[in-house]
Amino acid sequence: AQRVTQPEKLLSVFKGAPVELKCNYSYSGSPELFWYVQYSRQRLQLLLRHISRESIKGFTADLNKGETSFHLKKPFAQEEDSAMYYCALSYSGAGSYQLTFGKGTKLSVIP
Amino acid sequence: DTGVSQNPRHKITKRGQNVTFRCDPISEHNRLYWYRQTLGQGPEFLTYFQNEAQLEKSRLLSDRFSAERPKGSFSTLEIQRTEQGDSAMYLCASRSYSGRIYEQYFGPGTRLTVT
Repeated sequence: AQRVTQPEKLLSVFKGAPVELKCNYSYSGSPELFWYVQYSRQRLQLLLRHISRESIKGFTADLNKGETSFHLKKPFAQEEDSAMYYCALSYSGAGSYQLTFGKGTKLSVIP
Repeated sequence: DTGVSQNPRHKITKRGQNVTFRCDPISEHNRLYWYRQTLGQGPEFLTYFQNEAQLEKSRLLSDRFSAERPKGSFSTLEIQRTEQGDSAMYLCASRSYSGRIYEQYFGPGTRLTVT
């Protein structure tokens, strides 16, 4: 069965400091991985998908199949990055491509 | 607003009552998902539709839960004989079946409180 683990419930960093939100997964197939973000009072929205290999709002994430990880990184945290971050794995069971989410990490950027 | 919409946004009900939630997906999206999110957890998959066909249901979806998507447009999720354990945020998401575009777009959710 697929599983996503985010070991930190809360991560506090100072503005300008580097950020790394950890995500590990277990899945026997070829995974499709995503980071979703939820800002205060807003809906869940896609931040990054691993197949795009893009940088969004300064965030990047690299899929490491050997370590089964998909950590989210940003070199310099900004106050507006404070939000709830969820790592998710797309699972094509029965063709649904449903998402399996981790429990989330709350990022707090201290001014 | 062309995003996914959900109604109502909040619902308070007494244990044993039935409740129904509605989701209106992005109009051109043929895939629709329901998730449930409890406090301190990430969203958990409940069920999925492709057009009007319900193709997959999670074991989380007990017999008291039923979902429909008539005509492949909006969807409803009904919970019969609600229990306190049903208290959660119910999220709807939609996506198009279009090559390798995998993004699911989420609605704002319906928060259910069972007293």
